[in-house]
Amino acid sequence: GDSVTQMEGPVTLSEEAFLTINCTYTATGYPSLFWYVQYPGEGLQLLLKATKADDKGSNKGFEATYRKETTSFHLEKGSVQVSDSAVYFCALSENSGYALNFGKGTSLLVTP
Amino acid sequence: DAGITQSPRHKVTETGTPVTLRCHQTENHRYMYWYRQDPGHGLRLIHYSYGVKDTDKGEVSDGYSVSRSKTEDFLLTLESATSSQTSVYFCAIRSGGGAQETQYFGPGTRLLVL
Repeated sequence: GDSVTQMEGPVTLSEEAFLTINCTYTATGYPSLFWYVQYPGEGLQLLLKATKADDKGSNKGFEATYRKETTSFHLEKGSVQVSDSAVYFCALSENSGYALNFGKGTSLLVTP
Repeated sequence: DAGITQSPRHKVTETGTPVTLRCHQTENHRYMYWYRQDPGHGLRLIHYSYGVKDTDKGEVSDGYSVSRSKTEDFLLTLESATSSQTSVYFCAIRSGGGAQETQYFGPGTRLLVL
């Protein structure tokens, strides 16, 4: 079945450092891919998405490119801020209306 | 904000008691979902609905039932709560279609079963 694998956390970075959170997936078809962010004590917010190969999703300085050849959707940001401290979830959706299949989440802590 | 509210936001209950969580949406979305979030597991689907009175099971549906008698409300019931159902429960709706399809989440309900 479909699955999503994320790098284990927690990830600790200094402010202004470069961020990469790895995400790889297994799917039988051509899924849509998502990154969600969860700030402490809150629900999940959509960060960005991509719906086909080579698409790049971007939002708030974060980017991720849908790589079909490597079945990956790695999240990157050039310069993190303390306010980016949160848990990040990679997810996929195989078919319209289907539920999202989530990775286990990666906790990010950015220190001043 | 996709107009999703959940109630209650926090609940403590005892093993064996029934519990109902409510998800309410204001934008007439057809698809609604219940997930649970547990450390080390991410989010897992419990049940979902694709219309009034139309529901189906998800990955972790044992011990849970759902009902949807109105478009705007999707109820999750634990018939007899167990400690393993201590979790954070999130409701979600599907917005858009095709390439625009996205799920948006409510604020969550934190449930503790003693």
